[in-house]
Amino acid sequence: GAGVSQTPSNKVTEKGKYVELRCDPISGHTALYWYRQSLGQGPEFLIYFQGTGAADDSGLPNDRFFAVRPEGSVSTLKIQRTERGDSAVYLCASSSVSPGLAGVKHEQFFGPGTRLTVL
Amino acid sequence: GEDVEQSLFLSVREGDSSVINCTYTDSSSTYLYWYKQEPGAGLQLLTYIFSNMDMKQDQRLTVLLNKKDKHLSLRIADTQTGDSAIYFCAERGKLNNQGGKLIFGQGTELSVKP
Repeated sequence: GAGVSQTPSNKVTEKGKYVELRCDPISGHTALYWYRQSLGQGPEFLIYFQGTGAADDSGLPNDRFFAVRPEGSVSTLKIQRTERGDSAVYLCASSSVSPGLAGVKHEQFFGPGTRLTVL
Repeated sequence: GEDVEQSLFLSVREGDSSVINCTYTDSSSTYLYWYKQEPGAGLQLLTYIFSNMDMKQDQRLTVLLNKKDKHLSLRIADTQTGDSAIYFCAERGKLNNQGGKLIFGQGTELSVKP
């Protein structure tokens, strides 16, 4: 597929459980972003990877949230001890351009998201 | 701080023009974007404008940027029922400082009536 893919598309879990959400970026894209979209709101930034490293994790709400991108392609967002307030759509985006490069539009391509419901 | 505000709803008749407004607070924003979100689909980039521009036109879409007032608008000419969706305004912070993260507004739901 040519676009960003995310799995699963839906995840229902119980409060206190651990979940992993996966993102497959567009092949060759070095930048990868995670956002969270609560009902009726715009996406909210969580974390950004450039290659394998997390360059900006300032949006992670607390230490229950963690993300990895060990080989610089697929990324996994991990949430420990889930709470009902974690329920949201988790969006992944990728970009081919380094954010430091001037003069280009820096388009982020978004996946369809994973809808997480914590009961 | 960073904040992006949009009105929540807009209803227009098919064939009319739609104007969706957005205000932002970060004067160092380099790029401003308009994304479209349809039910069950991912966010789709519609258009963007660089902060040194006042206006950008792309087919039926016109983007106006007023940097002094930190106001951005998206005009859709000849609005069609297929334009019904949620439209998000987003700003991108200063290069090299924020890693390219986007700050989104809460979205404007556009309803187009036949």
